[in-house]
Amino acid sequence: QKEVEQNSGPLSVPEGAIASLNCTYSDRVSQSFFWYRQYSGKSPELIMSIYSNGDKEDGRFTAQLNKASQYVSLLIRDSQPSDSATYLCAGGTGFQKLVFGTGTRLLVSP
Amino acid sequence: DVKVTQSSRYLVKRTGEKVFLECVQDMDHENMFWYRQDPGLGLRLIYFSYDVKMKEKGDIPEGYSVSREKKERFSLILESASTNQTSMYLCASSLLSPLNGEGEKTQYFGPGTRLLVL
Repeated sequence: QKEVEQNSGPLSVPEGAIASLNCTYSDRVSQSFFWYRQYSGKSPELIMSIYSNGDKEDGRFTAQLNKASQYVSLLIRDSQPSDSATYLCAGGTGFQKLVFGTGTRLLVSP
Repeated sequence: DVKVTQSSRYLVKRTGEKVFLECVQDMDHENMFWYRQDPGLGLRLIYFSYDVKMKEKGDIPEGYSVSREKKERFSLILESASTNQTSMYLCASSLLSPLNGEGEKTQYFGPGTRLLVL
């Protein structure tokens, strides 16, 4: 089992809809999780971090962590075409390191 | 704002050349990382450093070496470039995490260097 797994997509949603991105993780991953957005040809940029069980909201973004089920999700409300990108889920592993999923590509159509 | 810069955005090199990629961060971060990113494989850790002159191998260190002589600067060296090292190279930095308690700190990425080895 990969340490962090994501569906590669693409996930297609219409403008204004809620996009739901999911990530599962193995026992080897610690309890710190991060969502990064990566536009084509660009580097990853942090959207949110979450450390505790439950929800964390920041503007249109909500991260959810469920430790019992070992999954992390990112909800994007009122999706915009500018949200079209690849979303990387990452979790802590080992000493000072993160392990990344391969990313889910999101397409928001006008 | 954290700023991580990389010496080149695009680089073209010949097989067998020695290649230097430089990364500089301005936020006094202890940790610095080098990743490569390839389609379908995601981000893979090559090396990281948690202090000056300290380095740790990541998942794919073969064919690479690193140097960290100053806290703000972390260099990736391809001793003899090969075509299978054509990739996007990403540098990142983060604060040192405590060994217990808060968990891993956010990593901030530079703009990346797209390397083509012919």
